Amino acid sequence: AQTVTQSQPEMSVQEAETVTLSCTYDTSESDYYLFWYKQPPSRQMILVIRQEAYKQQNATENRFSVNFQKAAKSFSLKISDSQLGDAAMYFCGIHNNNDMRFGAGTRLTVKP
Amino acid sequence: KAGVTQTPRYLIKTRGQQVTLSCSPISGHRSVSWYQQTPGQGLQFLFEYFSETQRNKGNFPGRFSGRQFSNSRSEMNVSTLELGDSALYLCASSLVGTGSYEQYFGPGTRLTVT
Repeated sequence: AQTVTQSQPEMSVQEAETVTLSCTYDTSESDYYLFWYKQPPSRQMILVIRQEAYKQQNATENRFSVNFQKAAKSFSLKISDSQLGDAAMYFCGIHNNNDMRFGAGTRLTVKP
Repeated sequence: KAGVTQTPRYLIKTRGQQVTLSCSPISGHRSVSWYQQTPGQGLQFLFEYFSETQRNKGNFPGRFSGRQFSNSRSEMNVSTLELGDSALYLCASSLVGTGSYEQYFGPGTRLTVT
């Protein structure tokens, strides 16, 4: 079974600063997809960024980028120039063979 | 295009009762997954349905069951409710075959068991 571990239950960042959220995973598969989802307070979860395991290049989406280390099974999310609207729960997830698993989440607080 | 909808949004039940939650996926999405979200456990996968067949199941007791209809709408049922079943139940749909595996989440049903 695939597992995802987010070791930081809570993180805090100053507005305009950079923060990195950690995620490690375990899978026996070589082909899979990794995701970061964001769940703002009382709002629906939305996809932040996606990484295909077969791609060596780290995915980026505007201020969001990942550091994908396949050998270490690590998939961290970096948020640059943090904004108040980035405050949310962030979930790391892995998808393979119709199986999607998420970590416990990291609550990000953005201080003005 | 309408998003994923879940009904009801809030529910209060008593221990021992049963409950049925409904999820309507985005039009054209044939895969529907269910998750239980609690503060301590995060998002836990319940099951996934595709074309009316359960393709995958998480580690939950048999009290949790689901089904999918021919129009891709899905229901999940929890029988003999326990206090620990209080949670936000999320449904997500995805468009199979695109290779993206992105899931689109509904707003959730908040279940409180007293």
